Amino acid sequence: EIVLTQSPATLSLSPGERATLSCRASQSISNYLAWYQQKPGQAPRLLIYDASNRATGIPARFSGSGSGTAFILTISSLAPEDFAVYYCQQRSNWPPNYTFGQGTKLEIK
Amino acid sequence: QVQLQESGPGLVRSSETLSLTCTVSGGSISGYYWSWIRQPPGKGLEWIGNIYYSGSTNYNPSLRSRFTMSIDTSKNQFSLKVNPVIAADTAVYFCARGVPSRIVVGTVGFDPWGQGTLVTVSS
Repeated sequence: EIVLTQSPATLSLSPGERATLSCRASQSISNYLAWYQQKPGQAPRLLIYDASNRATGIPARFSGSGSGTAFILTISSLAPEDFAVYYCQQRSNWPPNYTFGQGTKLEIK
Repeated sequence: QVQLQESGPGLVRSSETLSLTCTVSGGSISGYYWSWIRQPPGKGLEWIGNIYYSGSTNYNPSLRSRFTMSIDTSKNQFSLKVNPVIAADTAVYFCARGVPSRIVVGTVGFDPWGQGTLVTVSS
């Protein structure tokens, strides 16, 4: 099973700052990676799929990059509503499976 | 705008069968992959499996074969059965639609999601 490792576990930043979240895969997953934002008591919200495509309605301050085993989610200028937990998720072809990273908590400094 | 809503019992006894249903509104269930994903309280996300509108299924190979998915296109619903349930099945269960990938056949992400339903397994 492919394991996704997210870092850091917690990131403390102020509104207006740039956030950089990392996700590393235990083996190459091409560009088969998605990013989600989850707030307490809510379902995850898809931000990015195929490593770099923004989902419908997602603000341009969110961007994804990377391929193979190393991926980055960048939030260019943090808005107050961006403080949440972020998960990466990969898809593997055989056997068909989807796994999530353990999450990065983005908190207000 | 497609919306998903999970329904089922909030409490189930260990060794019994858990049945959950996801109702899709605002769009057709046809043409997409539909998944169940769960999240134990205070923990991360775990994909359980998916079902295509044709009825073909895939399950998380790390889970034992206690999970069964089905689909009813006439009702725009799909379902999950867990038999028998164990304490470790206590979690919020989400249903979600697969997002067609632009680079590979099939899906890479999930959107939209239902709001989730908490299932507690009691002994």
